[in-house]
Amino acid sequence: QQQVKQSPQSLIVQKGGISIINCAYENTAFDYFPWYQQFPGKGPALLIAIRPDVSEKKEGRFTISFNKSAKQFSLHIMDSQPGDSATYFCAASMGNDMRFGAGTRLTVKP
Amino acid sequence: GAVVSQHPSRVICKSGTSVKIECRSLDFQATTMFWYRQFPKQSLMLMATSNEGSKATYEQGVEKDKFLINHASLTLSTLTVTSAHPEDSSFYICSARDPRQGAGEQYFGPGTRLTVT
Repeated sequence: QQQVKQSPQSLIVQKGGISIINCAYENTAFDYFPWYQQFPGKGPALLIAIRPDVSEKKEGRFTISFNKSAKQFSLHIMDSQPGDSATYFCAASMGNDMRFGAGTRLTVKP
Repeated sequence: GAVVSQHPSRVICKSGTSVKIECRSLDFQATTMFWYRQFPKQSLMLMATSNEGSKATYEQGVEKDKFLINHASLTLSTLTVTSAHPEDSSFYICSARDPRQGAGEQYFGPGTRLTVT
């Protein structure tokens, strides 16, 4: 059973544009929602994370929007750059149980 | 941030042999470590959770006798793939929880590419 659904599967954005990736979860017990960035052949790196007591968190060009009632959260990358081209994974966790989305392959064209 | 290392980064072994992968937390003590497997263009699949000094908890469908996990210290966990076969070829990634951080946060190692010939 897929507990975290992520979309789109792939995304192409022009340099300077906004990249938006969406995730939805099913288990209301999840209490931590991170986004990871992964480059080919590398391990995932924590990008930004949010807990359900806030609706938005911004760190530089990266923003998480969180809708607890809809059980959805999204990642916005402002002023997207070619260096942002990577695969992005959302996740949801409670305690040691972390479930990942399927991933979004982002390509930022110069 | 918390740093997790893995060794080796790449390993090629012959079918039927065993290979050990190490995962270390470099600047913190990790009471809990995790082992994931990732196939090309796919997401991370949790294989097992290991707690220091106790037996690992394996996810459903993961053969515990094939994937031996040892978490003998607060900074080291090892994954041994026994009697490896070509279908075991994959990208293996470990992660660790830093107890100084908030609940849920995991820090990932750089991964180990295993190729079984």
